[in-house]
Amino acid sequence: EDQVTQSPEALRLQEGESSSLNCSYTVSGLRGLFWYRQDPGKGPEFLFTLYSAGEEKEKERLKATLTKKESFLHITAPKPEDSATYLCAVQAKTGNQFYFGTGTSLTVIP
Amino acid sequence: DSGVTQTPKHLITATGQRVTLRCSPRSGDLSVYWYQQSLDQGLQFLIQYYNGEERAKGNILERFSAQQFPDLHSELNLSSLELGDSALYFCASSSTGGLDTQYFGPGTRLTVL
Repeated sequence: EDQVTQSPEALRLQEGESSSLNCSYTVSGLRGLFWYRQDPGKGPEFLFTLYSAGEEKEKERLKATLTKKESFLHITAPKPEDSATYLCAVQAKTGNQFYFGTGTSLTVIP
Repeated sequence: DSGVTQTPKHLITATGQRVTLRCSPRSGDLSVYWYQQSLDQGLQFLIQYYNGEERAKGNILERFSAQQFPDLHSELNLSSLELGDSALYFCASSSTGGLDTQYFGPGTRLTVL
């Protein structure tokens, strides 16, 4: 069964304290893995797309990496404005369906 | 602002009723996606259209249907509503419908009483 699991469910960091969010997936053929940021009451905002194992992408304090079974979102020296829920999603080759994890709620304390 | 618009913003209705949610994609985008987000199940992919044709289907209930019109706006119809259908419904659009970036709208919050 195709599925996406994110951990931890919630994470509290002090400002400047780096950490990583995990997204593990099982899918029958991966077309792409996506990371989104979602603020309360708003729609998800696209961050990255990763296509194959070994790929890495960076944007400001965020860096996403991909292996054959999981992806990590590394947050370096986070700031309070990085507080949000981070969602991971995969698109399967079969049927082109999208599967989302339940997210990691990140709180960065000043 | 993503450029994707959804109406209405809030909708309150009763069990057994039927509602229509509307989505206008970003200018130039040909593909539209619908998602349901509830507290207990997270974000669930419902269906994707590309230039008027259905391209991918998720776990969309038979009571739900969608279409994309020639002007590329899309509607999601929900019928025989149940309490469990209460959720945030998001529409997203992308330019080609492949692995390109999806831009999400602000959502429609549906409450079924």
